Parts: sequence; structure tokens; C-alpha cells
Amino acid sequence: GQNIDQPTEMTATEGAIVQINCTYQTSGFNGLFWYQQHAGEAPTFLSYNVLDGLEEKGRFSSFLSRSKGYSYLLLKELQMKDSASYLCAVRLGFQKLVFGTGTRLLVSP
Amino acid sequence: DAGVIQSPRHEVTEMGQEVTLRCKPISGHNSLFWYRQTMMRGLELLIYFNNNVPIDDSGMPEDRFSAKMPNASFSTLKIQPSEPRDSAVYFCASSLKVSNQPQHFGDGTRLSIL
Repeated sequence: GQNIDQPTEMTATEGAIVQINCTYQTSGFNGLFWYQQHAGEAPTFLSYNVLDGLEEKGRFSSFLSRSKGYSYLLLKELQMKDSASYLCAVRLGFQKLVFGTGTRLLVSP
Repeated sequence: DAGVIQSPRHEVTEMGQEVTLRCKPISGHNSLFWYRQTMMRGLELLIYFNNNVPIDDSGMPEDRFSAKMPNASFSTLKIQPSEPRDSAVYFCASSLKVSNQPQHFGDGTRLSIL
């Protein structure tokens, strides 16, 4: 089976930095995606890693270590609008994505 | 640019009825995916198509579920007969068939089976 683990919930304060971890044990690996999903809305793409290292995109960065089966999403200068669920997804083969159950982030003033 | 369009946005129906969910992918995208999202199981892939051809339907839960893609701009997911445990949010997503391209999701159909 495919196993993707994320913390269920995290809380942080506006302006702070938060790191959301994702560990995976899957039968294959062809890249890792992070999506953001606000309550009642569709998931939206945040980042993609296929090689080890850090990818930076504005306030958001994502890191991957393939040997450790580990990724994290780093959110800087948190804003209230960052309150959402963050989904980690591993691509198996060419296109199939397997999603973790998501981490619900609550940003407080 | 229009994103992925799903209809209906909400559907409430009684157990045993047939349910049809519809999806129009982003123009030019040649891959289409159907997902189901529940609190307990998260987001699960049901089936996906490349160039209108079903590639992997291993996530389709039972024979009560079927999906078609008659052309590049339209797909349906049908449940017949529906059961209360089918209640979930069903998302359609599309992408280019290129390895680093993300999937773009529609707004979903919230399905409630009474």
C-alpha cells in the first residue's frame, strides 16, 4: 500500500514561520506536489519537487529528501489568508497522484 | 481563462437513484482525473483518462461507478444505484500530459445521498 503521513492540525501566529512535514512510503516515486485547499474550495497547486533540495516561491518553499522519504512545506510571514489545509501528494508512475490526508493550518492574529 | 468546470455544484438525492456528475476540462489539457474527497479518507483518485482513453480505473470503488469521456471537452462520472456511503465531494481535475505539470481542479460537486 501507499503511505503518506502529515500532521492533522497545526496552529501558528500571523507573521510567524511554519513548517509542515510530509513523510512517504510508496511503491514508486516520480515527484512530490503540495496543494493548498481552503474550506469548501478546490485544491490549488503550490509547489513541485522531483530532485532533492529546496524550491522557493515567494513566501512558500518546499524541500525534498528522496533518500529519507521526506518533504516539508515552509510558509513565511504568515497571513490570516494562509489558514487552509495543505495536501502533500506523491506522483507514482507518470501521472497518478496519491494524496496525504492533509494538514489543517490555523493562523491566529 | 476558464478553469475546470464541474456541474452540478451540489446534488442531494435519495438512495437508489442514478447520479451523473459532469466535467469540462481546461481547453488543451489532454489528461482528466476524477477524485473523491471525504473527511475519513481524504482525496482519492478514482479514474483518469489520457486523450479520452481510460488509463487507470483501479480506484473506482465498485461496479456501481462508471466514467466516460466521449470527447476532449467532456467527461461524466455516474453512480447507479447510489448509496449513502457515496456521499462526498467529487472533484474533476485536468492537466497537460507532461511530467512536471500540475493538475488543476474544478470546484467540485458536493453529493449527499439520503
